[in-house]
Amino acid sequence: DAGITQSPRHKVTETGTPVTLRCHQTENHRYMYWYRQDPGHGLRLIHYSYGVKDTDKGEVSDGYSVSRSKTEDFLLTLESATSSQTSVYFCASNTGDSNQPQHFGDGTRLSIL
Amino acid sequence: LAKTTQPISMDSYEGQEVNITCSHNNIATNDYITWYQQFPSQGPRFIIQGYKTKVTNEVASLFIPADRKSSTLSLPRVSLSDTAVYYCLVASYYGNNRLAFGKGNQVVVIP
Repeated sequence: DAGITQSPRHKVTETGTPVTLRCHQTENHRYMYWYRQDPGHGLRLIHYSYGVKDTDKGEVSDGYSVSRSKTEDFLLTLESATSSQTSVYFCASNTGDSNQPQHFGDGTRLSIL
Repeated sequence: LAKTTQPISMDSYEGQEVNITCSHNNIATNDYITWYQQFPSQGPRFIIQGYKTKVTNEVASLFIPADRKSSTLSLPRVSLSDTAVYYCLVASYYGNNRLAFGKGNQVVVIP
């Protein structure tokens, strides 16, 4: 979707290094989400935010932290990357109003060697 | 979060109508049914959403029976570019907006 951009689109890094992925949306959406997608698992929710400085855990939050200092930006941080965190990461956003669907970015492919 | 069950994959010929089914036996009263499409190296893209009966937009139709325990996404006259993974989700948009994606249905359109 045109309103959500993720950066970087691709990254290769080494085990133990910190990594930060950025999601930027121009829709003024209140809610933002981080998912990871792995073969055989579909998309799984890592963390989400329901407003500036308001975040909560998803189903696979261990090893990840997030921050939201502005409505338009949602950062995902891997404090010390592990090979199990090699994945494709997607960001999404929506208004949070009843029956409004989430809109996704095009993902970040992260490889941890 | 309500679970969904879809076929893993299906093939269809170009120009045919494709019907993709989804089971959601534990759907709750406040849940909507939403379908997403995902192409390789792209994020999921919203296709259609409904609560009951039939919903139609410019790309698809969604049929929901009265008991709402299943739904069918219908794609008219598919083309090769409709080859993608299709996800069915049920979610309540009251509360925390959390979605549970299953493994989706890989649809391959054959010339």
